[in-house]
Amino acid sequence: GNSVTQMEGPVTLSEEAFLTINCTYTATGYPSLFWYVQYPGEGLQLLLKATKADDKGSNKGFEATYRKETTSFHLEKGSVQVSDSAVYFCALSTGSARQLTFGSGTQLTVLP
Amino acid sequence: SQTIHQWPATLVQPVGSPLSLECTVEGTSNPNLYWYRQAAGRGLQLLFYSVGIGQISSEVPQNLSASRPQDRQFILSSKKLLLSDSGFYLCAGKGSSYNTGELFFGEGSRLTVL
Repeated sequence: GNSVTQMEGPVTLSEEAFLTINCTYTATGYPSLFWYVQYPGEGLQLLLKATKADDKGSNKGFEATYRKETTSFHLEKGSVQVSDSAVYFCALSTGSARQLTFGSGTQLTVLP
Repeated sequence: SQTIHQWPATLVQPVGSPLSLECTVEGTSNPNLYWYRQAAGRGLQLLFYSVGIGQISSEVPQNLSASRPQDRQFILSSKKLLLSDSGFYLCAGKGSSYNTGELFFGEGSRLTVL
C-alpha cells in the first residue's frame, strides 16, 4: 500500500534560518506529491505540489523537488519567518477515490 | 473557486450524547467528499469518503457514521459519543473536473467530549 514517512518534529528555528523537512514515500504507480500547511486552529491549505519526477513545486518561498530515484519530496525554505510557524504535512495521491495518504505532520516553530 | 463550509466550529458534548457535524461545498459539482479526524498532536486519519449521493465508504470501524443526502452536503454523525471521539474533524473535497489529486479543506470542527 501507499505510505508517507515524514520527519518527526517538533522543529524549532530562529527567524531567517534554513528549513528542511524530510519526506519519503512508498507508492504503487506514479503518485502526485503535495505539501499542506495547517496554521493553528485552521484547516489544511495546499502549499505546493509536483505531479511527475523532477518537477519542482514552489510557493511562498518554499520549494520541494519530486525525486523518484530516492522516493523523496523534501520541503525547503531558505529563510523562515515567524509567520511560517505551523504544522506541515507531506501527502501523495495515486488518483484513487480514496485520495490522499498523509504523513504524520511536522510542527514548525520559528522564534523571533 | 472551490470552498467548503463546515460547522459548528467548536463543540463540547457529554459522553453518550449525539453528534452532527455538517459541511457543504461550493464551486464544484459532483465532488468526492471526505471526513478526516486529527487527534491532538497526531496526524490525519481518514474516516469516511463519498463519491456520490448516498455512497459512503468507511475506513475505520467505530461509532461514527456519515451520510450524503445531497450532492454538496456531507454529514458526520454519532448516536452516542465516546471520550475517544474528541478531536479536530476536517471535511475535504475534490472537484469533479480534472486536477492532480489535491483536496481542498474546510476550517475544521473541534469536538471535546467530556
